[in-house]
Amino acid sequence: DGGITQSPKYLFRKEGQNVTLSCEQNLNHDAMYWYRQDPGQGLRLIYYSQIVNDFQKGDIAEGYSVSREKKESFPLTVTSAQKNPTAFYLCASSIVDSTTYEQYFGPGTRLTVT
Amino acid sequence: QKEVEQDPGPLSVPEGAIVSLNCTYSNSAFQYFMWYRQYSRKGPELLMYTYSSGNKEDGRFTAQVDKSSKYISLFIRDSQPSDSATYLCAIRGQGGKLIFGQGTELSVKP
Repeated sequence: DGGITQSPKYLFRKEGQNVTLSCEQNLNHDAMYWYRQDPGQGLRLIYYSQIVNDFQKGDIAEGYSVSREKKESFPLTVTSAQKNPTAFYLCASSIVDSTTYEQYFGPGTRLTVT
Repeated sequence: QKEVEQDPGPLSVPEGAIVSLNCTYSNSAFQYFMWYRQYSRKGPELLMYTYSSGNKEDGRFTAQVDKSSKYISLFIRDSQPSDSATYLCAIRGQGGKLIFGQGTELSVKP
């Protein structure tokens, strides 16, 4: 089955620790995205990548880092510099096409930092 | 002003009701409009996709775009308890990025 997988589903960390969230896709999509979702705030873009070894900051990149070494994988690291890391994190992918840019989402990772 | 505004609700309706979900946007250059449905603790899934103005129908769902008013709507006819979810409007912005509304939480009561 083609799709996007995110692991783990739930993640707990102590304040001050970095944590890496996994995102893998087998849809052969060129573009991948990371969003953060907080209650009542919709989805906010953290980072995105349209090609391997290249990525751009989204609207709320501070305190986060990413890498794109393979087309299928786009891991997100939440660093200790992120002031409010507790949130629901969603990964998405899409083809790069001038007519659509429909994004397909993974199941999400709920991160709790205490 | 946010680029996309959506009433977060929550919205509660009885089974069988017609539901109207709405978003407004600020940039008249936007042309691609989407509605995503998100069940609790899951990732969003694309429900409807429209280009420019007009209506698009898919079963019980109708997406409507009014570019003159910068207003997009999703109508659900004969709503079912299984329609209970958060509905997010999304608009394709510059560089292919999607701009999401805050999401409207819908509950359909049996």
